[in-house]
Amino acid sequence: KNQVEQSPQSLIILEGKNCTLQCNYTVSPFSNLRWYKQDTGRGPVSLTIMTFSENTKSNGRYTATLDADTKQSSLHITASQLSDSASYICVVTPYSSASKIIFGSGTRLSIRP
Amino acid sequence: DAGVIQSPRHEVTEMGQEVTLRCKPISGHDYLFWYRQTMMRGLELLIYFNNNVPIDDSGMPEDRFSAKMPNASFSTLKIQPSEPRDSAVYFCASSFRLSNTGELFFGEGSRLTVL
Repeated sequence: KNQVEQSPQSLIILEGKNCTLQCNYTVSPFSNLRWYKQDTGRGPVSLTIMTFSENTKSNGRYTATLDADTKQSSLHITASQLSDSASYICVVTPYSSASKIIFGSGTRLSIRP
Repeated sequence: DAGVIQSPRHEVTEMGQEVTLRCKPISGHDYLFWYRQTMMRGLELLIYFNNNVPIDDSGMPEDRFSAKMPNASFSTLKIQPSEPRDSAVYFCASSFRLSNTGELFFGEGSRLTVL
């Protein structure tokens, strides 16, 4: 069964610190892997996208990595800001069916001043 | 473009009442999805449309749920009768072509509370 699992479930860090969120998936083959950011009370918004052949993708202070051999992805946030407090969702699109997008359960990140 | 627009943002109703959620996708997008989000189960796909035609409704939990897309700019999700376990945030999302890099654009969601 295609699955996407994220860890940790929640994380609290101090403003200015770095952090890394993990995503393990069993979806294979896949078309792309995205990280979405969901602010409280809002809809998810795409941060990064990687195809299976890419290893890393950056968007400002956000850097996503992908290891297709171990089926792991990570999202690294550098110099965290209060506005980074949100849920981060790992999303994988199977190659066989672009509509059967699989969502992880998310990591709830809280940045404390 | 204003993005995906959903209404109402919040709905509180009593068990047994009919609930209708509305969605206006981004102009030009040919895919529309309805998702339900809860703390326990995360985001779950309910149904999706391609060019206004329902393609997969296997995620619709029961016959109490129905969805329509009468034209390219409007969709509804109806729950009749509503039950407390339907309480969740319902998201509408649209996409263009769902290519290899197809991105989902989500609305702000409709938070439903059934008492």
